[in-house]
Amino acid sequence: AQSVAQPEDQVNVAEGNPLTVKCTYSVSGNPYLFWYVQYPNRGLQFLLKYITGDNLVKGSYGFEAEFNKSQTSFHLKKPSALVSDSALYFCAVRDMGTNAGKSTFGDGTTLTVKP
Amino acid sequence: SAVISQKPSRDICQRGTSLTIQCQVDSQVTMMFWYRQQPGQSLTLIATANQGSEATYESGFVIDKFPISRPNLTFSTLTVSNMSPEDSSIYLCSAIGETYEQYFGPGTRLTVT
Repeated sequence: AQSVAQPEDQVNVAEGNPLTVKCTYSVSGNPYLFWYVQYPNRGLQFLLKYITGDNLVKGSYGFEAEFNKSQTSFHLKKPSALVSDSALYFCAVRDMGTNAGKSTFGDGTTLTVKP
Repeated sequence: SAVISQKPSRDICQRGTSLTIQCQVDSQVTMMFWYRQQPGQSLTLIATANQGSEATYESGFVIDKFPISRPNLTFSTLTVSNMSPEDSSIYLCSAIGETYEQYFGPGTRLTVT
């Protein structure tokens, strides 16, 4: 079975400060890892993914995430937060060895960036 | 990338009626899914829409309640049958492209009265 944990329901940061949204995962095989963002009354938008290769992946809107196999983590980061980054963020994992491509999503973390 | 459209975007329905949600992808995708989401909460997978065959349902979801069709690679429908207020939710269509990203439609906000 695969699972994802986002330990923080809410993250608050000041504009201009670095931000981190945490994610840990569990899969039996090799993980494919993803981050999505959801703005109010909108669908989910893809931010970035880790499939293989470099552990540090860069995505949309200046976000990046680091795959850490030993800690089974895939934390989302941004060096300098913007008020417009305020949204709901979901981490997801997919085990391509099983589950026929189905992703498991975390419960989401609400990011609030204050001016 | 793929762009997914859904219609209707929202609807208010009477108890006991059915609603069919349409999902169209603008490019070929490998897999299509239907999810349910309460506002501000995580996604619950309803089923995988299989082209030309019966959908694969997750535990707690059945074909009689949520019939799904996928007649070709880029189009799918989800019907919510015999609706009750508990079916009020946001229904999301999703698809996986050839480079593994999962794309989502804007959602259909359903309210059952």
